[in-house]
Amino acid sequence: SAVISQKPSRDICQRGTSLTIQCQVDSQVTMMFWYRQQPGQSLTLIATANQGSEATYESGFVIDKFPISRPNLTFSTLTVSNMSPEDSSIYLCSVESGTGNQPQHFGDGTRLSIL
Amino acid sequence: AQSVTQLDSQVPVFEEAPVELRCNYSSSVSVYLFWYVQYPNQGLQLLLKYLSGSTLVKGINGFEAEFNKSQTSFHLRKPSVHISDTAEYFCAVSPRGSQGNLIFGKGTKLSVKP
Repeated sequence: SAVISQKPSRDICQRGTSLTIQCQVDSQVTMMFWYRQQPGQSLTLIATANQGSEATYESGFVIDKFPISRPNLTFSTLTVSNMSPEDSSIYLCSVESGTGNQPQHFGDGTRLSIL
Repeated sequence: AQSVTQLDSQVPVFEEAPVELRCNYSSSVSVYLFWYVQYPNQGLQLLLKYLSGSTLVKGINGFEAEFNKSQTSFHLRKPSVHISDTAEYFCAVSPRGSQGNLIFGKGTKLSVKP
């Protein structure tokens, strides 16, 4: 399975600032995904990022708040903009290669706390 | 639409005892089924998956799960747990033929005590 590296692994930020999270994969993948895991909760898909096209956002998530880049087949970034304490969560990147019966593989996540 | 219910939010168990973590799902279409494990301060690791074929699926670390279509369940089992199995376990489903549409349950925290 693909090896996924996320940076930073954790951060503490001031409200009103923005943070960009990076996701690097050791092989070319078709689809990359960004999830949010709020404290004590399960994972919620934020958006799907395909190379060469705009990211597709799930209901409740908007591009202005969570802009995503996908410049090539091994890399993506998620920015959490104008952060508030409610954005304190774990943000996880995952990848899926091939067709729909391939399981997603996850990075170790970015643990974000907003003061 | 799909939904996943993990019936137990926390499961305490003694070391070397058997454990079953329950997962039920709801879907109007056929689905693929997955179990993931999240160790403290780590991301999710795939334990096992059901795509088709035999309904008894074996995964890593001695875990197995059985797909029961009539009961729409995919319970996770291990005959003898170790302290190192302490983690949170997530059941997830994905509609067949879809890409990226992975729906998670709320997770079950397994605590293995000596």
